[in-house]
Amino acid sequence: EIVLTQSPGTLSLSPGERATLSCRASQSVTNSYLAWYQQKPGQAPRLLIYGASSRATGTPDRFSGRGSGTDFSLTISRLEPEDFAVYYCQQYGSSQTFGQGTKVEIK
Amino acid sequence: QLHLQESGPGLVEPSETLSLTCTVSGDSISNPSSTSYYWGWIRQPPGRGLEWIANVYYRGSTYYNPSLKSRGTVSVDTSGNQFSLKLSSVTAADTAVYYCVRPRGQPHYWYFDLWGRGTLVSVSS
Repeated sequence: EIVLTQSPGTLSLSPGERATLSCRASQSVTNSYLAWYQQKPGQAPRLLIYGASSRATGTPDRFSGRGSGTDFSLTISRLEPEDFAVYYCQQYGSSQTFGQGTKVEIK
Repeated sequence: QLHLQESGPGLVEPSETLSLTCTVSGDSISNPSSTSYYWGWIRQPPGRGLEWIANVYYRGSTYYNPSLKSRGTVSVDTSGNQFSLKLSSVTAADTAVYYCVRPRGQPHYWYFDLWGRGTLVSVSS
C-alpha cells in the first residue's frame, strides 16, 4: 500500500498569502495519478486537482498542483477567505489511498 | 445535474451488518450513454482522514479495499437507480461518516469527482 504523508499538519496564514502544501508518497505514484481535495467543516470533500496538475471543473485558477514520482504539492497563490479548510491528497496509481490532511487556518 | 444521497441506519450494534444505500438522481445508473459507469463508497472516522471502501461497475463488477478483509459487499440496483454497501461484523472502528461517490478515471485508477453529503453511522450497543 502506498502511504501518503502530508506536511505541514497545520498551516497558519493570512488572506492574500501564498500557501504551499506537500504530499510525499512512500513509493512512486504511477503516471502521477494524484488528486487533491478540499474539505470544509461538516461538508463532503470536493475534488480540486487530478492527474497531479489538472484542475477539476470549477476549481479557481489560484489553485495549482505539480509534482511527479513521490513528491507532489498544491499551491494556492493568494488565499481567499473561503480557502481556509482541510486539504487531502489521494493517489490512485495503486489502489486508492489518502493522506492524513493539511489544515489551512487563518493566522 | 447528478446528485448522490446516502440513506440508512445511523446506529448499528457491534457484530451486526451495516447497510447503506445511495440514490442517484439526475442520470441513469445504467445508461450506456452515461459517462458515469462506476460508483463507490468512502468513509471518514470522526476527526480523521478518508478511506476508500469499494467501487462497483453498473453491470455488477466489484472492487474492494483489501483492508476490509472481505467484510464488504457492494451492489447495484438498476431498477431503483441505487447502489448499496453492506459491511459485516462491524466494530466501533467502523464508526464513520460514509460517503457515496462517483469514481472517475481509468478502470482501477480512480479519483472521485462527485460526493454525497455523507451519513454518520455509529457502531454501539
